[in-house]
Amino acid sequence: KAGVTQTPRYLIKTRGQQVTLSCSPISGHRSVSWYQQTPGQGLQFLFEYFSETQRNKGNFPGRFSGRQFSNSRSEMNVSTLELGDSALYLCASSLTHGSLYGTGELFFGEGSRLTVL
Amino acid sequence: AQTVTQSQPEMSVQEAETVTLSCTYDTSENNYYLFWYKQPPSRQMILVIRQEAYKQQNATENRFSVNFQKAAKSFSLKISDSQLGDTAMYFCAFMPQEGKLTFGQGTILTVHP
Repeated sequence: KAGVTQTPRYLIKTRGQQVTLSCSPISGHRSVSWYQQTPGQGLQFLFEYFSETQRNKGNFPGRFSGRQFSNSRSEMNVSTLELGDSALYLCASSLTHGSLYGTGELFFGEGSRLTVL
Repeated sequence: AQTVTQSQPEMSVQEAETVTLSCTYDTSENNYYLFWYKQPPSRQMILVIRQEAYKQQNATENRFSVNFQKAAKSFSLKISDSQLGDTAMYFCAFMPQEGKLTFGQGTILTVHP
């Protein structure tokens, strides 16, 4: 069974540009979550999608957005990039939303390393 | 809002010895899950161990075990017979029944030969 796939793995952008990151969850998983990882702030929750609906949102500005498609693949977009957006963006998939109907275990991808110059 | 605190930014241990990583959390929820995730230098995060809050028995997975103290809101990870492959960043995480996973700041564990 293929794991969580994130593309691209590495990318470099300049301030003011926008970027789109993609995440393909494990087959059968309907929930996709996104996290930003930086040395200073650690792992911060961005948002979660379940069955194409945003179920939770973290405390990030509106420049950060996401969506989920009918095949559960998800994309996140960051517009008007700032230097502080440089980070590792991790995607995680799970069978269900939260732990109410499942174990709550998340399966992570290897991440997309974004550098903003 | 839930918070997760890992007070040890870095830990080191000799191969074959035992090490304990600390984690405390704050929540008003009664039913929730707690996790320890491991992130090796290659970056992919993997689940180490999971604890359901309604279970009093501490979870164990081979060399990994937890000490779950619900009243104290404490959830420590014990690694026995440490191996070089255990070198990684370890994250403690909290998940309510319906909601997002909240991570601690992480503890970098180095296992020395």
